[in-house]
Amino acid sequence: SQQGEEDPQALSIQEGENATMNCSYKTSINNLQWYRQNSGRGLVHLILIRSNEREKHSGRLRVTLDTSKKSSSLLITASRAADTASYFCATVQTGANNLFFGTGTRLTVIP
Amino acid sequence: SQTIHQWPATLVQPVGSPLSLECTVEGTSNPNLYWYRQAAGRGLQLLFYSIGIDQISSEVPQNLSASRPQDRQFILSSKKLLLSDSGFYLCAWSSGPSFGNQPQHFGDGTRLSIL
Repeated sequence: SQQGEEDPQALSIQEGENATMNCSYKTSINNLQWYRQNSGRGLVHLILIRSNEREKHSGRLRVTLDTSKKSSSLLITASRAADTASYFCATVQTGANNLFFGTGTRLTVIP
Repeated sequence: SQTIHQWPATLVQPVGSPLSLECTVEGTSNPNLYWYRQAAGRGLQLLFYSIGIDQISSEVPQNLSASRPQDRQFILSSKKLLLSDSGFYLCAWSSGPSFGNQPQHFGDGTRLSIL
């Protein structure tokens, strides 16, 4: 399966700490995307990183991609209680168009 | 700006009843449209996608169907619901033509419970 797998499944940290979530996948990809989902809501796109990129930043978010290891990480710096949500990685397989989502990391930021 | 509307937010239906969920997008033309289902505590499973009016692709065999009667309208239907159809249904859109390289934008979902 092309589906990404996030690690850890759940993460609980104190406000102000950094949160790191990892994603592994199985086949070559065009790009990898990270999404956030608040409980009971739709997903919100965070960052898209292409297969020829190694790192991207957006505000307090930093995403890395290692295609040799077929893995990506999402770092949220200086976390806030409002960052509490589930975070999903999704991959687009080389030669395909559809997104395959992982099962997500549930992040809880304690005020 | 672009917006996506999905309704209803929650729905409780008996087994064997029909289903119609609607999704509309505003502020863009020729969007790619998607229906996903999310089981509790899980990732998303792509059900259908559409790159244009009356152009529907199905990803998994199931009890559901999709239609796109207008450019920015996507409908998920069933003639007879099964217990296994329960879940959280999400509609999304992306800009074309290379939709695999574009972010997807999601509606707020419909929580469907089958009794």
